[in-house]
Amino acid sequence: DVKVTQSSRYLVKRTGEKVFLECVQDMDHENMFWYRQDPGLGLRLIYFSYDVKMKEKGDIPEGYSVSREKKERFSLILESASTNQTSMYLCASSRPGQGYSNTEAFFGQGTRLTVV
Amino acid sequence: AQSVTQLGSHVSVSEGALVLLRCNYSSSVPPYLFWYVQYPNQGLQLLLKYTTGATLVKGINGFEAEFKKSETSFHLTKPSAHMSDAAEYFCAVKIRDDKIIFGKGTRLHILP
Repeated sequence: DVKVTQSSRYLVKRTGEKVFLECVQDMDHENMFWYRQDPGLGLRLIYFSYDVKMKEKGDIPEGYSVSREKKERFSLILESASTNQTSMYLCASSRPGQGYSNTEAFFGQGTRLTVV
Repeated sequence: AQSVTQLGSHVSVSEGALVLLRCNYSSSVPPYLFWYVQYPNQGLQLLLKYTTGATLVKGINGFEAEFKKSETSFHLTKPSAHMSDAAEYFCAVKIRDDKIIFGKGTRLHILP
């Protein structure tokens, strides 16, 4: 069974802390994503990685960075957490889109982060 | 810029009635289209997808969607709603650079 695993379901951090959200997939997917989910705003793409050490900014990258040193692992970093980063964070992975029918994204269970 | 629009942030239907959730997309190239469902405190689960071929796509739990290129739509339907269908539903499009863009979601309420 395919799996995307996020390291924590719930996190509480203090303002100004450096926060690491970890995501691991076991499907050998090239693409990995970090989304943020807020009520009424849907899922907004923070960062996208299409290969090891390769990344692209999504729609809301400010205040975030990412790291992909190995194909299976994609980390989201909040350099200095702020209260407006309190949210649900979802990690996903997928195969490349060109020429494949099974190109959907597979999601982890999400990490609910609260910054106090 | 590519985008996905879901009409109605909340939709209520009676148990046994038709479910219709609307999704329109904008894309300059033929897209891959998806519907996902999210139950409380869960990640997203794929309901169905359109990549190529038949424009009427069947998914899990009795849902289906029809890709209409002329209308740039991919509406989700189910003939008869069940209480267990209460959840949030997201339409998504995968574009040329492999990014997946989501709509804002529609919360489906089922009335007894």
